[in-house]
Amino acid sequence: EVQLVESGGGMVQPGGSLRLSCVASGFTFSSYWMSWVRQAPGKGLEWVANVNHDESEKYYVDSVRGRFTISRDNAKNSLYLQMDRLRADDTAVYYCAKCEYQLLENAWGQGAQVTVSS
Amino acid sequence: IVMTQSPVTLSVSPGERATLSCRASQSISNNLAWFQHKPGQSPRLLIYDASTRAAGVPDRFSAYGSGTEFALTISGLQSEDFAVYYCQQYLKWPPRTFGQGTKVVFK
Repeated sequence: EVQLVESGGGMVQPGGSLRLSCVASGFTFSSYWMSWVRQAPGKGLEWVANVNHDESEKYYVDSVRGRFTISRDNAKNSLYLQMDRLRADDTAVYYCAKCEYQLLENAWGQGAQVTVSS
Repeated sequence: IVMTQSPVTLSVSPGERATLSCRASQSISNNLAWFQHKPGQSPRLLIYDASTRAAGVPDRFSAYGSGTEFALTISGLQSEDFAVYYCQQYLKWPPRTFGQGTKVVFK
């Protein structure tokens, strides 16, 4: 059974940093693209970033490019999202997801809450 | 590419049929997926390539469309189908854009 477990969420002041982690199990992590998707309070889903098997390809939504960094450690079956220079509008539940056909997210974690507030 | 869903909220009685619409700001061929998201749960992939059900998705869910106009139909709505539904395009990215969602509520 595929399992994705996020951690590292919390409350941080504007301009601060936070690192989300996602530990994967139940599949060969190193073989799959992975992504982060977020949902702000009262808003819809927003794709944030994805990364290929060996980190040679990384893509971001414009609003986070230059502030967020997606990475992975295949030896630890882990996906990360380093979030720097956080803003209030980054407040959201962040989901990590396993990507398959057409890099569509077909398995999701339970989500990690990130709150940016002074 | 901007994805626009309608309506924002759809009131339906159990057993009825619900039809949700999604429009792309430019042609995306059939590079469209539908996701279901229930409160307190993680999203779930329902449909890909505009009309192909993902593994384990009941056949009461069907979808069609190509180019810029798409639809998701839920036939014989069941209580577990009340949720928010999102379309997502994956032809031109980044970013892989979602629509704003359609909330299916109990009538």
